Amino acid sequence: SQQGEEDPQALSIQEGENATMNCSYKTSINNLQWYRQNSGRGLVHLILIRSNEREKHSGRLRVTLDTSKKSSSLLITASRAADTASYFCATDLHNAGNNRKLIWGLGTSLAVNP
Amino acid sequence: EPEVTQTPSHQVTQMGQEVILRCVPISNHLYFYWYRQILGQKVEFLVSFYNNEISEKSEIFDDQFSVERPDGSNFTLKIRSTKLEDSAMYFCASRRTGPEAFFGQGTRLTVV
Repeated sequence: SQQGEEDPQALSIQEGENATMNCSYKTSINNLQWYRQNSGRGLVHLILIRSNEREKHSGRLRVTLDTSKKSSSLLITASRAADTASYFCATDLHNAGNNRKLIWGLGTSLAVNP
Repeated sequence: EPEVTQTPSHQVTQMGQEVILRCVPISNHLYFYWYRQILGQKVEFLVSFYNNEISEKSEIFDDQFSVERPDGSNFTLKIRSTKLEDSAMYFCASRRTGPEAFFGQGTRLTVV
C-alpha cells in the first residue's frame, strides 16, 4: 500500500506568500517527518511530529498532524526564493520495531518566485 | 556540527561492473541505512543495519547488494553487477537511538 502521499505535486507561489503542503498515509505511525531536498542534492531533516502531537513549530515552519484522518500538513510562512526545493514527508511506522525505516511520499516541488 | 558524509558524489559505471558506495555515519550513531531515489520517483528503503548485521532489507535489496561496516567508521553498499535500472541517487543515513535520521548528500550512480 502507498504511504506518505503528498499533494500538491507542484506548487508555485510568490515570495512572501505562505506555502501549504499536505501528506496522507495509510497505516499507524510512530511519527511523521518532513524533509527538504534541493535539486539533485541531499535530504535535509526539517521537523518531526510524534503521533501524540497535533502541531509543531520550527521558525517559519508549522506542521500539523491529524491521526484520525491520517494526514499532515507543512506550512511555510513568508516564503523566500531560497525555500525553492522539493519537500517530502516520511513516516516511521508503528509496530515496526526499533528499526525505524522511513516510508516516503513522492514529494511536493515548491517554486518560490522572487 | 557532525554530519554523514558520502563518497563519491557521482559515479559512472559500466553495466555489469561492481561498485562500492561509501558512507561515514555520525560517529556515535548506532543504526545505519541505505535508501535510493530513482530520478523522479520516491525515496525507497533498501536496508538497515544495527549491531553489525542487517536488521531489515527491502525486496530491492537482492543478492546483488551487500553492506558492510568494515572498520567501525565506514558503512559501504556494494552492488556486484550493476544494471541500468540501478541508476539512482543513493542515500546513507544514520541515527543514534531517537527517531531522527541524518542523511548524507547522496551518491548519484549512473550505469551506462
